[in-house]
Amino acid sequence: EPEVTQTPSHQVTQMGQEVILRCVPISNHLYFYWYRQILGQKVEFLVSFYNNEISEKSEIFDDQFSVERPDGSNFTLKIRSTKLEDSAMYFCASSAGLNEQFFGPGTRLTVL
Amino acid sequence: KQEVTQIPAALSVPEGENLVLNCSFTDSAIYNLQWFRQDPGKGLTSLLLIQSSQREQTSGRLNASLDKSSGRSTLYIAASQPGDSATYLCAGSGGSYIPTFGRGTSLIVHP
Repeated sequence: EPEVTQTPSHQVTQMGQEVILRCVPISNHLYFYWYRQILGQKVEFLVSFYNNEISEKSEIFDDQFSVERPDGSNFTLKIRSTKLEDSAMYFCASSAGLNEQFFGPGTRLTVL
Repeated sequence: KQEVTQIPAALSVPEGENLVLNCSFTDSAIYNLQWFRQDPGKGLTSLLLIQSSQREQTSGRLNASLDKSSGRSTLYIAASQPGDSATYLCAGSGGSYIPTFGRGTSLIVHP
C-alpha cells in the first residue's frame, strides 16, 4: 500500500542552524502539507502546498520557514535558523484531493 | 475559528468492552471529519473520514458518526483489544479544508 515517507526520523541540531526535513508524498497525490506536534500538545497545521505554490499557511509558518518541491517526488520543509521552541515532531501529509489526508511517520527535531 | 475538543482525555478499559470516544467541534459548517490513531512517538494513521453529507462510516470494529447540528462526532470501538491501545485524534476541516485537531483521547485496553 502506498505511504508517505519522511527522512530523517530524528534530527538533532544546534540553535541557529538550518535544517531541511524531507518527505516523499504518495505518488499520485496533488496536495501536500506540513504539521508539527510539540510534545504533549495538539497537532498544528503549518502549511499546505498545491500546484507548486503555498495555498494556505498558519501563523506559525513565519519567514523562518519555507517549503519546496524540488523534483517530482520530494517535498521539503526548511527552517532557516532554528530556535529551541522549534523542537517538535514534524509530520508531512498528502492527499489526492481536498479530502482524506495520509500522514508520514514524522521527523523528531531536537534543537539544543 | 474551528475548535475541537475530545472527551475523555484518557480511558482505561478491560479487554472486550465496547467503548465510545467523543469529539465536539464549534463550527457546524464542517467539510469533513477524520479520526486518526497515533501510537507513542509515531505518526498518524487515518482510521475513518466522514464527509459533511454523511452520517457515519464503518471499518471493521470501528464506527464513526457525525452530527453537524449538535457539533459532535463519536468513534465507537467494538470488542476492544489490547492492540487498540493508542491515542485517538479527531480533526475537523472547515471551509479552508485544513483540519483542526483535538488533543486526543489516550486509550489503554488491558488484558
